[in-house]
Amino acid sequence: KQEVTQIPAALSVPEGENLVLNCSFTDSAIYNLQWFRQDPGKGLTSLLLIQSSQREQTSGRLNASLDKSSGRSTLYIAASQPGDSATYLCAVRRSNYQLIWGAGTKLIIKP
Amino acid sequence: DAGVTQSPTHLIKTRGQQVTLRCSPKSGHDTVSWYQQALGQGPQFIFQYYEEEERQRGNFPDRFSGHQFPNYSSELNVNALLLGDSALYLCASSLVTNHRGTQYFGPGTRLTVL
Repeated sequence: KQEVTQIPAALSVPEGENLVLNCSFTDSAIYNLQWFRQDPGKGLTSLLLIQSSQREQTSGRLNASLDKSSGRSTLYIAASQPGDSATYLCAVRRSNYQLIWGAGTKLIIKP
Repeated sequence: DAGVTQSPTHLIKTRGQQVTLRCSPKSGHDTVSWYQQALGQGPQFIFQYYEEEERQRGNFPDRFSGHQFPNYSSELNVNALLLGDSALYLCASSLVTNHRGTQYFGPGTRLTVL
């Protein structure tokens, strides 16, 4: 059974710092892995999607890496800003299209 | 181009009642998935609809049922509501021919069961 874990559950850092969010999964047989952002009371916004054959994806100040063999992914945020404050969730997609989610990391960027 | 829309935004029900939530997919999308997100947790997959049929189902009881209409919109029905059904219900749409499986999410419906 696939399980997805995100550590830490919450993180508070000063503005301008670079930071890393972690995601681990128990079954390496994944189709892809996605990182999402969720703002309070709102839905989910896809940030980055990494196919199982890829090692990393980049979008602006965000970089996501994937190591299938160790069951780990990281989301790197460079030069954090207060607007980055949100909950970040990772989800792995199995071949049957179902997404399995972590519980998220609540990120607070202090001005 | 309208994104995924859901209605209502908020809903309050009492135990034992029935509820229907609605979702309109992003224009051009043909597949709709429903998720339940309890407070402080990640979403849990309920089921997915394609071509008006339930294609996959997560670990949810039969009290949870759905429907997809010819215009690809979808409904989620929950019967005999329990306090534990209180959650944010998210709808996501995708295109079956998109092998990356990219899903676009609506803002969700916040259901409170008293």
